[in-house]
Amino acid sequence: DIQMTQSPSSLSASIGDRVTITCRASQAISRYFNWYQQKPGEAPKLLIYGASTLQNGVPSRFSGSGSGTDFTLTISSLQPEDFATYYCQESYSTLYTFGQGTKLEI
Amino acid sequence: EVQLLESGGGLVQPGGSLRLSCAASGFTFNNYAMAWVRQAPGKGLEWVSTITGTSFTTYYADSVKGRFTVSRDNSKNTLHLQMSSLRAEDTAVYYCAKVFIVASTRGFDHWGQGTLVTVSS
Repeated sequence: DIQMTQSPSSLSASIGDRVTITCRASQAISRYFNWYQQKPGEAPKLLIYGASTLQNGVPSRFSGSGSGTDFTLTISSLQPEDFATYYCQESYSTLYTFGQGTKLEI
Repeated sequence: EVQLLESGGGLVQPGGSLRLSCAASGFTFNNYAMAWVRQAPGKGLEWVSTITGTSFTTYYADSVKGRFTVSRDNSKNTLHLQMSSLRAEDTAVYYCAKVFIVASTRGFDHWGQGTLVTVSS
């Protein structure tokens, strides 16, 4: 099975900061890779699919990159609504494994 | 507008059974695979099961294989998850999600609000 490892597990940042979250797959997954955002009490929301394509309606301050085993999510200038937990996910296998999450806090 | 509405959650004793449902609207239901994802209290997301649009193929996480059964009724735009032999570790919010496939990638582009399943005596 493919394992997905996110880092860091938590991150403290301020409004306007540039932040980067990384995710590593235990085997090559090409660009079968997604990022989700989840706010407390809400369902997850798809942010980026195919490693770098923004889902409709997602602000352009979000960007994704990577291929193979190493992927990054970058938020160029943090806004108050961005404080949430972020999950990576592989979609290469039929198991759709998620990373353990990165909690982004003020 | 795509809408997914889960129901059927509740309190059940260990070893018991429960059937979750997810009512879908706003898209051609039978054209899309659907999935269940769960989240234990204070924990991360765990994929549970996927079913193709025609119900031809189903997939399960090892943690639920042999105990959970996913099904769908395309005439009623409804997804189900039959859960049996429930354990305390199955306690979670269960989300249904619509599977999208675009070019060489896929994922979950719409999610329901979730339904809480609590397994406890």
